[in-house]
Amino acid sequence: ILNVEQSPQSLHVQEGDSTNFTCSFPSSNFYALHWYRWETAKSPEALFVMTLNGDEKKKGRISATLNTKEGYSYLYIKGSQPEDSATYLCAFMVGNAGGTSYGKLTFGQGTILTVHP
Amino acid sequence: GAGVSQSPSNKVTEKGKDVELRCDPISGHTALYWYRQSLGQGLEFLIYFQGNSAPDKSGLPSDRFSAERTGGSVSTLTIQRTQQEDSAVYLCASRSRRSEAFFGQGTRLTVV
Repeated sequence: ILNVEQSPQSLHVQEGDSTNFTCSFPSSNFYALHWYRWETAKSPEALFVMTLNGDEKKKGRISATLNTKEGYSYLYIKGSQPEDSATYLCAFMVGNAGGTSYGKLTFGQGTILTVHP
Repeated sequence: GAGVSQSPSNKVTEKGKDVELRCDPISGHTALYWYRQSLGQGLEFLIYFQGNSAPDKSGLPSDRFSAERTGGSVSTLTIQRTQQEDSAVYLCASRSRRSEAFFGQGTRLTVV
């Protein structure tokens, strides 16, 4: 059973605050780590797909880092806005000996972010 | 189509009835996933298809649940003899190699 853990479970911040969350995953047989944003009454939408140790990706005020050797990824939001309120999910893909992937996406439980005006 | 399409969007069924949920993935996407979200819970993995075969169906909760995929495209998730604990939002996603997953809008199943 793959363990993908996210912390904190929920977070309340004020508009303008910067914040970050953590995703922990198995450090062996890594293939890819995905981040998704899931807004209420919508479907999850991808933020980042990260594949290389040391990867840093950025989209606007949101960025993510990846450490495959120790098995964690951080998601950062700079200057939070009320529209950033959502559940942020990470998903882990395990690789096989051939350097490809079994393809299964295992999600963490998510971090629920609420940004207060 | 342009995105992943699921039908129906809402389904209310009586306990003990069978239901079929349909997923139309993005054309050309070889991988297809079924997840569900029960009230207050995260995304629970059900089954994953690569083409028409299912390398991992470990998340199916019981033998009342089955899924198939035909032509490397449409997938159907069938729940037989529904129970109240089957009530959830069922989400389908598809992806191509090395891409992110694209999700459908989900089917909200309510068993009364």
